[in-house]
Amino acid sequence: AQKITQTQPGMFVQEKEAVTLDCTYDTSDQSYGLFWYKQPSSGEMIFLIYQGSYDEQNATEGRYSLNFQKARKSANLVISASQLGDSAMYFCAMREVTGGGADGLTFGKGTHLIIQP
Amino acid sequence: GAGVSQSPSNKVTEKGKDVELRCDPISGHTALYWYRQSLGQGLEFLIYFQGNSAPDKSGLPSDRFSAERTGGSVSTLTIQRTQQEDSAVYLCASSLAPGGQFFGPGTRLTVL
Repeated sequence: AQKITQTQPGMFVQEKEAVTLDCTYDTSDQSYGLFWYKQPSSGEMIFLIYQGSYDEQNATEGRYSLNFQKARKSANLVISASQLGDSAMYFCAMREVTGGGADGLTFGKGTHLIIQP
Repeated sequence: GAGVSQSPSNKVTEKGKDVELRCDPISGHTALYWYRQSLGQGLEFLIYFQGNSAPDKSGLPSDRFSAERTGGSVSTLTIQRTQQEDSAVYLCASSLAPGGQFFGPGTRLTVL
């Protein structure tokens, strides 16, 4: 079973609309972290937002917010007022903190978001 | 430096040769990670360093892959006897756990 599932391979959205990118995860750990990254065509991986499993409030960073629903194991990214520059691949990722250490991230397959003028 | 840097940015090599990829993390970041990104496999975790030690080597795909980190800073990823399936973008990231991992620009490796 995949640990991170992103069900939307591609999305087209009109500029200025809000966008929700889906992400569900699978873990038996109680302590874990959830991340979203943006990868434009230039290839760089840009960190957007982080949510810890014990954080009670949804994380927000400017136009980005993470809709964290722990019982559903869901960590959707919401981009408000989309801009043309938001066109990119978006990856959801999880870190499972096991054995007191911080392991590498497990990534989903990504969603290719295209913002249309 | 201000961000994670990696060198070289591109590397073309012949099958069977050894290659070394370098990562210079953000100053003060104790955790360092190597990933690779390929069309077929997506983003895969390779290895993680906390300081100079590597408690998690589970992602290394074969014993041809090794990595070291010295002085709690620069890391090198070495691939011996490269194969065509090693062609990928190799990404390095660093962090102050917990929180976001900050990625470098990557090294695009092409094995002919």
